[in-house]
Amino acid sequence: AQSVSQHNHHVILSEAASLELGCNYSYGGTVNLFWYVQYPGQHLQLLLKYFSGDPLVKGIKGFEAEFIKSKFSFNLRKPSVQWSDTAEYFCAVKGGGSYIPTFGRGTSLIVHP
Amino acid sequence: KAGVTQTPRYLIKTRGQQVTLSCSPISGHRSVSWYQQTPGQGLQFLFEYFSETQRNKGNFPGRFSGRQFSNSRSEMNVSTLELGDSALYLCASSLMGGSVEQYFGPGTRLTVT
Repeated sequence: AQSVSQHNHHVILSEAASLELGCNYSYGGTVNLFWYVQYPGQHLQLLLKYFSGDPLVKGIKGFEAEFIKSKFSFNLRKPSVQWSDTAEYFCAVKGGGSYIPTFGRGTSLIVHP
Repeated sequence: KAGVTQTPRYLIKTRGQQVTLSCSPISGHRSVSWYQQTPGQGLQFLFEYFSETQRNKGNFPGRFSGRQFSNSRSEMNVSTLELGDSALYLCASSLMGGSVEQYFGPGTRLTVT
């Protein structure tokens, strides 16, 4: 069965710092990859997705993620975070033989102004 | 375009009771998926319905069931509630099914006492 690991459970940054959140999945093959964000008191929103093509994916709010097939990774990045990026971030993977999407445990990001 | 709506938003039940949660997908979306979100387990897939048929099912006991109506609205039922069923239950809708690109509702917070 597919598993998704988000290695950073809690990340604390100051505004303007760069961000990279790790996401690794276990099962190869054709995969669809997603990052979702959950702002405090709000529902989960899609940040970006990868289905095929250019492995560097641009999302909303200045976020991007890079799919590295050989490393089974889909890390999320942002060059300069803002206080408003404080949220919980979830990586999700669908595929690798399963139609059921698997979510990582989430990473809590706190950005200090 | 209205988003995914879930009712009720909060619910308190007693162990042994049963509960029904409702989800109305985005207009035009035919797929509805349900997830259980807890601090310890993260987001776990319950099941997906597409055109009134259950297409995928996660690893949950038979006490968890669902259905979808012809207007794509979906209900989830949990019978014989246990304390461990306390969680945020999320509904997500998608246009084509297969949980490819989902839009999440705000969730129903269920507390079992």
